[in-house]
Amino acid sequence: ILNVEQSPQSLHVQEGDSTNFTCSFPSSNFYALHWYRWETAKSPEALFVMTLNGDEKKKGRISATLNTKEGYSYLYIKGSQPEDSATYLCYNQGGKLIFGQGTELSVKP
Amino acid sequence: EAQVTQNPRYLITVTGKKLTVTCSQNMNHEYMSWYRQDPGLGLRQIYYSMNVEVTDKGDVPEGYKVSRKEKRNFPLILESPSPNQTSLYFCASSDDSGRDFYEQYFGPGTRLTVT
Repeated sequence: ILNVEQSPQSLHVQEGDSTNFTCSFPSSNFYALHWYRWETAKSPEALFVMTLNGDEKKKGRISATLNTKEGYSYLYIKGSQPEDSATYLCYNQGGKLIFGQGTELSVKP
Repeated sequence: EAQVTQNPRYLITVTGKKLTVTCSQNMNHEYMSWYRQDPGLGLRQIYYSMNVEVTDKGDVPEGYKVSRKEKRNFPLILESPSPNQTSLYFCASSDDSGRDFYEQYFGPGTRLTVT
């Protein structure tokens, strides 16, 4: 993987569903992996920064894991709520700051 | 209040008419950066600056200039805008004062349309 890739590009879930999505990055060029939450008409806001293989971070119903050897991070949202609707971005702070294209999450009541 | 401000927030202009988008931060951050966001492409870095008078190209610098004469300001200059520069632009800053893993603070965005 040469760039940061996120999947899926978009996701539609019902309120109460749990969901997860992936950020893949070049494991050979890793320094730190950042997750951001970006609501429409607002600025991206930092969620987590992860640096160590096996790292697991949690903020309320949102958590993230990191595997630097295979080059991926998962973001989990437990019991999705409509206010979780946003685009979730990751970037690899390894050399140049390379963002993924984001996963757009829509949670329907 | 700690913040990154950008002006203007919205701008419609014509091809070839020079414009500047200002960016200012009040957090004494050393690192500042400009991104453009286009559908399906995520955030792509245009230019960044590690400190005053130190700037460097990001992934998509063509057609843009920047300057960093003061720590707080990092304007983005389009000398001769073209329609392919129609985009949503974000300025960001972060504190690089010895801490390795810094989060970026983003401005509110500038939506630019070039006709």
